[in-house]
Amino acid sequence: AQRVTQPEKLLSVFKGAPVELKCNYSYSGSPELFWYVQYSRQRLQLLLRHISRESIKGFTADLNKGETSFHLKKPFAQEEDSAMYYCALSGPAGNKLTFGGGTRVLVKP
Amino acid sequence: KAGVTQTPRYLIKTRGQQVTLSCSPISGHRSVSWYQQTPGQGLQFLFEYFSETQRNKGNFPGRFSGRQFSNSRSEMNVSTLELGDSALYLCASSLDPGGSGYEQYFGPGTRLTVT
Repeated sequence: AQRVTQPEKLLSVFKGAPVELKCNYSYSGSPELFWYVQYSRQRLQLLLRHISRESIKGFTADLNKGETSFHLKKPFAQEEDSAMYYCALSGPAGNKLTFGGGTRVLVKP
Repeated sequence: KAGVTQTPRYLIKTRGQQVTLSCSPISGHRSVSWYQQTPGQGLQFLFEYFSETQRNKGNFPGRFSGRQFSNSRSEMNVSTLELGDSALYLCASSLDPGGSGYEQYFGPGTRLTVT
């Protein structure tokens, strides 16, 4: 069975500090991994996916198959990064997403 | 393009009743997925429809069902409602030209309260 674990329910950091959100997964095949974000009073939206290898809004995430992790990082957090972040896994076919429990990020001024 | 729309946005039902929720995907999107979000269980996948066929199914009882129409609009139905069915139901659509793991675009959700 596929599973996604986000060990931190809440991360509180000061503006300008680095932030790292942890995500570990369990999946027998080759996973497709995503980070989705939900800002206050907005819809859930895609932040980034591992195959694109992009940096979005300063965030990056590296897939580590050996450690089965897909941690999200940003070197300098901004107040507008305060949101709920979900790590998600898709597979083996179609668009079924398995979500982690989510991490709420609070960036303090 | 207009985003994913869901109707109704809020719903209050009584235990034992049934409910139908509707989702209109982004124009051109053929895949529609449904998720249940609760404080205790988080976001859980219900089912996915693609070209009017159920392609994936989550671990929910048979009381939860869905369908997709030829214009890709989708409905989900919950029969014999239980208090535990109170949740935010999210619909997501995807372009999905083929394969898997495409970006999903989420709707605002329907908040269902069962009393």
